[in-house]
Amino acid sequence: DAGVTQSPTHLIKTRGQQVTLRCSPKSGHDTVSWYQQALGQGPQFIFQYYEEEERQRGNFPDRFSGHQFPNYSSELNVNALLLGDSALYLCASSFYSGNSAYEQYFGPGTRLTVT
Amino acid sequence: AQSVTQLGSHVSVSEGALVLLRCNYSSSVPPYLFWYVQYPNQGLQLLLKYTTGATLVKGINGFEAEFKKSETSFHLTKPSAHMSDAAEYFCAVSDQNQGGKLIFGQGTELSVKP
Repeated sequence: DAGVTQSPTHLIKTRGQQVTLRCSPKSGHDTVSWYQQALGQGPQFIFQYYEEEERQRGNFPDRFSGHQFPNYSSELNVNALLLGDSALYLCASSFYSGNSAYEQYFGPGTRLTVT
Repeated sequence: AQSVTQLGSHVSVSEGALVLLRCNYSSSVPPYLFWYVQYPNQGLQLLLKYTTGATLVKGINGFEAEFKKSETSFHLTKPSAHMSDAAEYFCAVSDQNQGGKLIFGQGTELSVKP
């Protein structure tokens, strides 16, 4: 059983560009959450998708957007990249239950470097 | 708003010694609490979680944590450290009604000396 997978592993972009990161959830999971982890920091919640809709959103600007597909996979898009967007982007999947008792399984992350 | 504070950004222990990583949380509603471990260049792996019921929870790799409501704490312990325990550890809290939004602490890097 494949766990959560993310692509690409690493990415280098220039300021002002746009980037798309991809995530496939663990088999049987229907909810995908995205987190940003800056160097030396804990992960910060960006948003969560369930039933192809954004269910919750953290304190991130509209430059950060996402999408969930019918097969539950998800994309994270970041427009107008800033140097401060350089981070490890983590995808986590879970089974939606309306509360947070169900554990989230994390992927290995995508390391984004903005130059 | 919920928050998590991990005391000590870096903890160093000798192999075989007790591991104690501290976590305090703030929540206006009953929380769900988690400890995750992150090895270099990897994602996060769940060690253990507290949702309801028994306040002492046991996790993988010999780790355990105790939920103390009066102290708003959820410290992680392991009786005997192993070299393979060297990693970054994150405490996280979630509101029961938040549907999965995790609020993480800043992390504690654990070093294990031979």
